Amino acid sequence: TQLLEQSPQFLSIQEGENLTVYCNSSSVFSSLQWYRQEPGEGPVLLVTVVTGGEVKKLKRLTFQFGDARKDSSLHITAAQPGDTGLYLCAGLGGSNYKLTFGKGTLLTVNP
Amino acid sequence: NAGVTQTPKFQVLKTGQSMTLQCAQDMNHEYMSWYRQDPGMGLRLIHYSVGAGITDQGEVPNGYNVSRSTTEDFPLRLLSAAPSQTSVYFCASREGGLVLRAINYGYTFGSGTRLTVV
Repeated sequence: TQLLEQSPQFLSIQEGENLTVYCNSSSVFSSLQWYRQEPGEGPVLLVTVVTGGEVKKLKRLTFQFGDARKDSSLHITAAQPGDTGLYLCAGLGGSNYKLTFGKGTLLTVNP
Repeated sequence: NAGVTQTPKFQVLKTGQSMTLQCAQDMNHEYMSWYRQDPGMGLRLIHYSVGAGITDQGEVPNGYNVSRSTTEDFPLRLLSAAPSQTSVYFCASREGGLVLRAINYGYTFGSGTRLTVV
């Protein structure tokens, strides 16, 4: 079973601060995906990273896939209250390309 | 809007009752799956399907059945509901089936079914 450890589990910060969320595993994944989930809704895809060392930017969000394809990070610059939500990392792997999720990071950005 | 549609949105069952959670997608996605989300446990895979007529078990399949007679639909059946099955259930789909290019595709999730078993 492939496991993904996400940290921190909870994060409460002030508007304008920067933050980083980590996603680590002992397993190699074919790709790593990040989702954001709001209360009462399903997760929504933010980004997919496929190549080891890959960095993708989405406005104030920067995603990085580790060189060995075992870990990833999400960095948010100048967080805003609209960034509040549950951030989930998920690894795609195995012979049937199943998606395994981390337990998530609940981010609260206070005005 | 195109996407994944789940019904019902809320359901209360008595222990021992059976029911079917419906999931339909209109994106012609080959791959469909069911997850349950519980506090502190994250999203766990129940069953998945790589195409019509093909299903397989995920991490927590006990107490659930699935079938995939069409590309569009992937219903989840609870055979005899138990309080441990109280959860939020999500259906998700993606392109690509089992081919290597599948690694480039993210999943589209439905909005979930909140199930309470009393």
